[in-house]
Amino acid sequence: AQRVTQPEKLLSVFKGAPVELKCNYSYSGSPELFWYVQYSRQRLQLLLRHISRESIKGFTADLNKGETSFHLKKPFAQEEDSAMYYCALTQYSGAGSYQLTFGKGTKLSVIP
Amino acid sequence: EPEVTQTPSHQVTQMGQEVILRCVPISNHLYFYWYRQILGQKVEFLVSFYNNEISEKSEIFDDQFSVERPDGSNFTLKIRSTKLEDSAMYFCASRGRDGQETQYFGPGTRLLVL
Repeated sequence: AQRVTQPEKLLSVFKGAPVELKCNYSYSGSPELFWYVQYSRQRLQLLLRHISRESIKGFTADLNKGETSFHLKKPFAQEEDSAMYYCALTQYSGAGSYQLTFGKGTKLSVIP
Repeated sequence: EPEVTQTPSHQVTQMGQEVILRCVPISNHLYFYWYRQILGQKVEFLVSFYNNEISEKSEIFDDQFSVERPDGSNFTLKIRSTKLEDSAMYFCASRGRDGQETQYFGPGTRLLVL
C-alpha cells in the first residue's frame, strides 16, 4: 500500500535559516510526488511537483528513489513561508483517477 | 485565474440528518474529487468522478455517501445520515485531463455534526 510519511509535525526556524521539510514515501510503482502548501485561512495549493523539476518561491525538492524521499528545501527561510506543508503522492488507479495520498503535514513556523 | 469554489463554507447539522456539500469545479476540468480532513489528521481521499460516474472510491466512502454532477457545473457530495465522526473539513478538487496531473482544491467546507 502507498504511504507518505512526514515525520515532523512542527518545524520552527529563524528567518534566513535553511529549511528542510522531510517526506518519505512507500509505493510499489513509479510515483509522482507533489508538495502542497496551505497558508493560513487559504486553500491547499500546489507548490511543486517532482517531474517539473522547478523551483517555486525558492523551494526545491528532489526525488530520491533509493531513499524513497522527496524532501522540500529552501536555503533561506522567509516569514511568508510560514504555512502548513503537505507531501503527496499520486497513483494511477484506473480510469485516470490519480487520487492523491497525503502525508500528515508539517507546520513550518519562521521566526522573525 | 479560475478556482474551485465550495458552498457552504461551514455547516452544522444534527446526527442522522442528510447534508449536501456543493462544489463548482474549474469549468474545463474533467476529473473531480472529494477529500476530507478530520481535525488533526491527514487529508484523506474519498472518491473520484469522471465521465459521470465514480472511477475510484476509498473504504471511507460507504453507502452513506454519494456523489452527483446534477448539471454541467456542480459536483455534490451527499451524506445520507450523518454521524459524529463525519465531522471534518471536506475538500473538493478538480483536474484537467490526462497528462495534467495537478489537482486544484477548493477552500473546503467545515462540517460539524452534533
